[in-house]
Order: sequence, then structure tokens, then C-alpha cells
Amino acid sequence: DTGVSQNPRHKITKRGQNVTFRCDPISEHNRLYWYRQTLGQGPEFLTYFQNEAQLEKSRLLSDRFSAERPKGSFSTLEIQRTEQGDSAMYLCASSLSGAADTQYFGPGTRLTVL
Amino acid sequence: GQQLNQSPQSMFIQEGEDVSMNCTSSSIFNTWLWYKQEPGEGPVLLIALYKAGELTSNGRLTAQFGITRKDSFLNISASIPSDVGIYFCAGRETGANNLFFGTGTRLTVIP
Repeated sequence: DTGVSQNPRHKITKRGQNVTFRCDPISEHNRLYWYRQTLGQGPEFLTYFQNEAQLEKSRLLSDRFSAERPKGSFSTLEIQRTEQGDSAMYLCASSLSGAADTQYFGPGTRLTVL
Repeated sequence: GQQLNQSPQSMFIQEGEDVSMNCTSSSIFNTWLWYKQEPGEGPVLLIALYKAGELTSNGRLTAQFGITRKDSFLNISASIPSDVGIYFCAGRETGANNLFFGTGTRLTVIP
């Protein structure tokens, strides 16, 4: 069990550019979540996959954001036309569906939009 | 969205002291989780609670799922310098998949 991994750990980009982040969940976990965390706040839910199906999106996920999990394993989160307000830590978590369904988090990708 | 009230916001304590923090919600949760986060890292799970009234320990940490299902607390006994970090409560409503997080308690332990 190698835990949840995320790449890159840090990304600095200019406003208007597109960025893509990757998350590799714990291998046997079928659920994968994306959260966003701004300074001084707790993580906020963005979207959730069960296997390859994206089952839920929050209102925070504007149309500039898209997430995929094509083979039910790793996931990508893309932000198009980045804005300064997108600067945040993007966290991925995974879990195994069931009664417990405990979410384990990756180290996050810190995005800075200049 | 759902807001969890977590208190205190920050704590400065002497090494060896006990710590208590709590979290309340406006709605009923079926799961309460406590995470610790250090600078530049993701939250690390400390304790998970699944039943009202449940009391669970993990080493020097003890957490309880409130009877009303709208609150939880975390105690740390005999604090040590490596306990420094931000502690977050998180809860899940019945039928929901995502977690709602509190705003965190920043713990500083003075050696």
C-alpha cells in the first residue's frame, strides 16, 4: 500500500494558461475524490468518482474545471483559462466503498496562478 | 454548503499538557473523522467514528462521536512537540459521499 500520490506537488502558472493535475489512488480503492483547500480553510469538495463514473460535482466546480478517471484507476483534474482565484491546494482522496468508506488523502498539488 | 464549527481556532500549550478540541454541525452526520495536516502536506487520518456515542482511541488520541450525531471531540493527552499541526474534523451526512470539513484547530506545543 503506497498511499495516494499526486503530481505535480507544486505548479506555478500564468493567468489564462491551462493546467492538469494527476492523482493515483490507493490501488484497491474504487472511489476517488477531489477537494480544494485555500489558506486557512478546511478542504472543500469538488467532485467524486466511483470507478470511472463521475457521480457528483459540487457548485465549486465551474465549467473551466474538468475531471476524468478513464480506466477507474488514476484521475486527472484540468483547469482551463486559470484565474488568480484558482490558486489553492488541490487534494485527492480515495476510499473503498462500503460501510466505513474512509477517505485517505494525498499530499496535494499547490497551484499558484500569477 | 454545510459549515462545521470547530473550536478553538488555535491553542498554545506546554509540552505534557492535555488538549481538547471539538466540532459541531447543524445537521446530523453518520461519520465523523479527525485529520491532522502539516504545512505543505495533505490531511492524515487520525481517527474514524461511525456510531453515535462511539469512543475510539489511537495512542494518545481519543475521539468521541456525540450522542446527538451533531458533534464530536478530540482529546490529545500528554502532548509532545510533534503534535504540532492543524487538526481538522470532517463529517459525512447520511446518503452523502463527500466530507464537510471544519476550519481547523492550529496546535502549537511549547517544549
